[in-house]
Amino acid sequence: DVKVTQSSRYLVKRTGEKVFLECVQDMDHENMFWYRQDPGLGLRLIYFSYDVKMKEKGDIPEGYSVSREKKERFSLILESASTNQTSMYLCASSVSGTGRNNEQFFGPGTRLTVL
Amino acid sequence: DQQVKQNSPSLSVQEGRISILNCDYTNSMFDYFLWYKKYPAEGPTFLISISSIKDKNEDGRFTVFLNKSAKHLSLHIVPSQPGDSAVYFCAASADTNAGKSTFGDGTTLTVKP
Repeated sequence: DVKVTQSSRYLVKRTGEKVFLECVQDMDHENMFWYRQDPGLGLRLIYFSYDVKMKEKGDIPEGYSVSREKKERFSLILESASTNQTSMYLCASSVSGTGRNNEQFFGPGTRLTVL
Repeated sequence: DQQVKQNSPSLSVQEGRISILNCDYTNSMFDYFLWYKKYPAEGPTFLISISSIKDKNEDGRFTVFLNKSAKHLSLHIVPSQPGDSAVYFCAASADTNAGKSTFGDGTTLTVKP
């Protein structure tokens, strides 16, 4: 059974802290994604990686960075957390290619609260 | 510019009736469309998809219709069940987009017993 796991389900941090969100997939997928989900705003892409050490900015990359040192792991980093980064963070992965391969497999999400 | 729009934030239907969720897009380069379902405190899961070369795809109680000229797709659920209550996201992708999908804002479906 395909699986995407995220390191924490719930996280509470203080303003200014450095925050690491980890995501691991066991499907040998090339593509990995980080989204945030906010009420009424759907899923907004923060960063995308299509291969190890390769990354591409999404729609809202400001205040975030990512790291992909191994194929199965994609980390989202908040260098200095701010209250407006309080959100649900979702990681996803997919195979490379088009059409049916665009199906993304999502992790359960991390609910981050920044106080 | 929001390229994928789900104009109804919420929809409520009676159990056993049809649920119709709508999605509009603006980018004519989109050639593959997907619907995802999301329960609270869980990640979205893939539900059904359609290629732009088709106008209909059916999977059990779920059917997706695509009208390319109108840049519109819809998801029909017949019959609706209380377990279908969830947030439904429409997503679109383009061959040139390196595997990325653009998501709509979601529609919250409530199926009442």
